[in-house]
Amino acid sequence: QMQLQESGPGLVKPSETLSLTCSVSGGSIGGYYWNWIRQPAGKGLEWIGRIYISGTTNYNPSLKSRVTMSVDTSKNQISLKVASATAADTAMYFCARREDTFDIWGRGTMVTVSS
Amino acid sequence: EVVLTQSPDFQSVTPQEKVTITCRASQSIGSSLHWYQKKPDQSPKLLIKYASQSFSGVPSRFSGSGSGTDFALTINSLETEDAATYYCHQSSTLPWTFGQGTKVEIK
Repeated sequence: QMQLQESGPGLVKPSETLSLTCSVSGGSIGGYYWNWIRQPAGKGLEWIGRIYISGTTNYNPSLKSRVTMSVDTSKNQISLKVASATAADTAMYFCARREDTFDIWGRGTMVTVSS
Repeated sequence: EVVLTQSPDFQSVTPQEKVTITCRASQSIGSSLHWYQKKPDQSPKLLIKYASQSFSGVPSRFSGSGSGTDFALTINSLETEDAATYYCHQSSTLPWTFGQGTKVEIK
C-alpha cells in the first residue's frame, strides 16, 4: 500500500522560503501526478499545484509566481517551495497522489509563518 | 476558475437520518466532481469520484448524483462516525478547486 509522508520546518519566518518534502513509500512515483494542497486553520482546501515525473508542472494562479515543485525519482520524493512566505501561508500542507482524482493523501504537516 | 458552492455550510443531524449536501458549480463541469470526507487531524478521504462512482471501501450509505452544474452527496442512515466536514472538488478545469465545505454534526 503506497504511503505519503510530508516533512519540513514547522516554523518559517516571514519573507523566507517555505520548503516541504513528500516522501513516497510502497510504490514508484512514476505514472501519477503529485499534488500539494493546503488548508489554513478553520478554512477550506486550496490546491497549490501538481507535478508529473517528467517535471511538467501546473500551479494555481493565486500562488504561481511564488511556487516551485520538483521531483527526485532516485529518492521517490516530491518537493514544494513557496517563496516570500507570509502569515497567509500558515496552513496544514498535504501531498496527494492523483490517478483520476486525489486517492492517496499524506497525513499533512503544519507550517506556521511567524517571526 | 470554477467556483464550487456547497449548501448548507453546517448541518446537525440525528443518527439514522438521511443527509443531503449539494454542490453547485459556476460553470458546467460534466461529471468531473468528487466528494471527500475530512475529520480533524486527519487527511481527506475520497468517497465518491466522477459524481456517482463509489470509491473502493467506502460504505454503501454514501452516494453521489448530478452532472453539469448541480451535484449532491447523500448519506443514508447517518452513523456517529460520519461526523466530519465534506468537500466537493472539481477536476474539469485547472486550477482545480474545492467547495467551502459542509460540516456535519451529530445531535
